[in-house]
Amino acid sequence: ETGVTQSPTHLIKTRGQQVTLRCSSQSGHNTVSWYQQALGQGPQFIFQYYREEENGRGNFPPRFSGLQFPNYSSELNVNALELDDSALYLCASTQGARETQYFGPGTRLLVL
Amino acid sequence: AQSVTQPDIHITVSEGASLELRCNYSYGATPYLFWYVQSPGQGLQLLLKYFSGDTLVQGIKGFEAEFKRSQSSFNLRKPSVHWSDAAEYFCAVAINYGQNFVFGPGTRLSVLP
Repeated sequence: ETGVTQSPTHLIKTRGQQVTLRCSSQSGHNTVSWYQQALGQGPQFIFQYYREEENGRGNFPPRFSGLQFPNYSSELNVNALELDDSALYLCASTQGARETQYFGPGTRLLVL
Repeated sequence: AQSVTQPDIHITVSEGASLELRCNYSYGATPYLFWYVQSPGQGLQLLLKYFSGDTLVQGIKGFEAEFKRSQSSFNLRKPSVHWSDAAEYFCAVAINYGQNFVFGPGTRLSVLP
């Protein structure tokens, strides 16, 4: 139990739709990162937010966007969904740059 | 660009046997290095991390890892495997912790009774 929660646990969307995934960080953590994990692969870094500002981004197109709120909860938004967006989406929170990242259980997204 | 390789897709060991999972990275400088474990339907749990200093790092659940700069490796070891260690193991590197975090493809560990 890491104290990081994600919702929903599962989601089915159709191609072209938009989706919002949510993450509640562990108490006191001001940094959150999002990852995409396709089936049978390692997680890929999408972006990181620190104190409500984007603080680093992986190789993902702009249709992947995020928000971090004053209470440090976070959202991942994906527009114009594509079939290849089907994956497990993980968020991880941390208190600072050198601290341990705590991962949530993930949201499994299926795009039809 | 950074890359992480885990040469073994799937490893099977008997309970009580020793374990070594291999990880190699490609990066000009020494990155931050991590090992994570993922059980089915679960998120990732950090086993251990290396930033600097002693090249032999102790982690949770009896795991350790050794950083070898000359081989660009960060192999994970455990002297005696338990059935509960069956899971997917991921090696990861980062230039700056939390930014541009790169995971390897993972090694699936099966444990025979």
